[in-house]
Amino acid sequence: DAKTTQPNSMESNEEEPVHLPCNHSTISGTDYIHWYRQLPSQGPEYVIHGLTSNVNNRMASLAIAEDRKSSTLILHRATLRDAAVYYCILRDLWEYGNKLVFGAGTILRVKS
Amino acid sequence: GAVVSQHPSWVICKSGTSVKIECRSLDFQATTMFWYRQFPKQSLMLMATSNEGSKATYEQGVEKDKFLINHASLTLSTLTVTSAHPEDSSFYICSAGDRGPDSPLHFGNGTRLTVT
Repeated sequence: DAKTTQPNSMESNEEEPVHLPCNHSTISGTDYIHWYRQLPSQGPEYVIHGLTSNVNNRMASLAIAEDRKSSTLILHRATLRDAAVYYCILRDLWEYGNKLVFGAGTILRVKS
Repeated sequence: GAVVSQHPSWVICKSGTSVKIECRSLDFQATTMFWYRQFPKQSLMLMATSNEGSKATYEQGVEKDKFLINHASLTLSTLTVTSAHPEDSSFYICSAGDRGPDSPLHFGNGTRLTVT
C-alpha cells in the first residue's frame, strides 16, 4: 500500500482556517486521495476525496499538488466540533477489495 | 446518505465466551465490508475484508479461527470473536461502500468490547 505522512498533531483557533498537510510521494496513478476524520469513541467519518483536481464540498476543500505527491485538507472555519483525528489515506482503484489502510493521522485541536 | 449500522455499541463478556457483532448497510447493498480493530490511542487496524457469499480475506497476523466473519447477504456482515480473552478487548469498527472504489467508505459507530 502506498503510504502517507502526516504531522502528529496541529492546533487551530476557532473560526480560523486550518490547513492539514499530507505527503504521499509514492502515490500511483490509480490512487485516490481520501480524507476521513474520527471523533472520540466514534467510527471514522468521510470528509472528502479526489484524484487529480482540487475538490470542494460542504465540509472541506482538498488541494492536490500538481505532481500529486502531496495534498492539503482545508477546513475554512474551524469549530470546536472539528477537533478530531484526521486521516489521509490512499485508495487504489484497482487493488482487490479497495481497502482503506489507516495511518497514524493528525490530531487536530481547536482552541476557543 | 448511505448509513452503516453496527450492533451492539458496547458489550461486556466473560473470558472464554463468544461475542457476535453485526454490521448492516441500511440503504445500500455492499458486496464488500471491512472490519477494523482499534486499541486506545492507536489508529484503526484492518482485520479483514468480508466478501458476500464467499470467504473473508484476513490481514496478516489476524487469526481467522478467532475472528469468524460471515457475510451472508448484501446488507449484513457479522464478526464473531470466539473464546474471547481480555486482550481481545478493543473497539471494533465495520465499514462498507455503496458504490465503486473511487467513492467513499461509510463506517459504523463501532462496538466497544470488554472481556472480563
